[in-house]
Amino acid sequence: GAVVSQHPSRVICKSGTSVKIECRSLDFQATTMFWYRQFPKQSLMLMATSNEGSKATYEQGVEKDKFLINHASLTLSTLTVTSAHPEDSSFYICSAAVGGSSTDTQYFGPGTRLTVL
Amino acid sequence: AQSVTQLGSHVSVSEGALVLLRCNYSSSVPPYLFWYVQYPNQGLQLLLKYTSAATLVKGINGFEAEFKKSETSFHLTKPSAHMSDAAEYFCAVSVARAGTALIFGKGTTLSVSS
Repeated sequence: GAVVSQHPSRVICKSGTSVKIECRSLDFQATTMFWYRQFPKQSLMLMATSNEGSKATYEQGVEKDKFLINHASLTLSTLTVTSAHPEDSSFYICSAAVGGSSTDTQYFGPGTRLTVL
Repeated sequence: AQSVTQLGSHVSVSEGALVLLRCNYSSSVPPYLFWYVQYPNQGLQLLLKYTSAATLVKGINGFEAEFKKSETSFHLTKPSAHMSDAAEYFCAVSVARAGTALIFGKGTTLSVSS
């Protein structure tokens, strides 16, 4: 089946530094990739939607200058948390869809646990 | 706007008992509905999805869900729980528009006791 990987699986950084998280579709080409954030005991909240070669579409309330998303190829999307602060600590999850239809199954990565000290 | 409500943040059953996880949705347009499972330290895995075909949808691992428009529900069931079913379950909704993301419910933790 379709596999999505994320790297790193967990990262600890100091406040003020930037962290890059990679999301890769290993055995398929993803037209669309999504980035979600999950707080403890809560649901996944969509942060942004990215299509290869175009700018990401951010959800209301998500700072695009803080959460930089690059979707350089059909198999790789990156999320960079710039000038991270403790409140950015969370579980970040990406997903990838093969096609552009909303009925297409989204395949989820295992997530990245970010802790900002 | 679409939304999903999962009733019961935590459900406990005995091994062999019926599993029922509740999901109600709100959507102004015909929805597509999904159930995902998340095992500890793993990514979400699709259990099943409803995309306006048959209202009774069968998924993996013996799970099934029935779309009931009159009740705006999409409850997940399994006749006989197994210890390995213990996980977090998420109901999600999407709409019939290309490139849309999923709107997730808050999740239900299923515990299975022997």
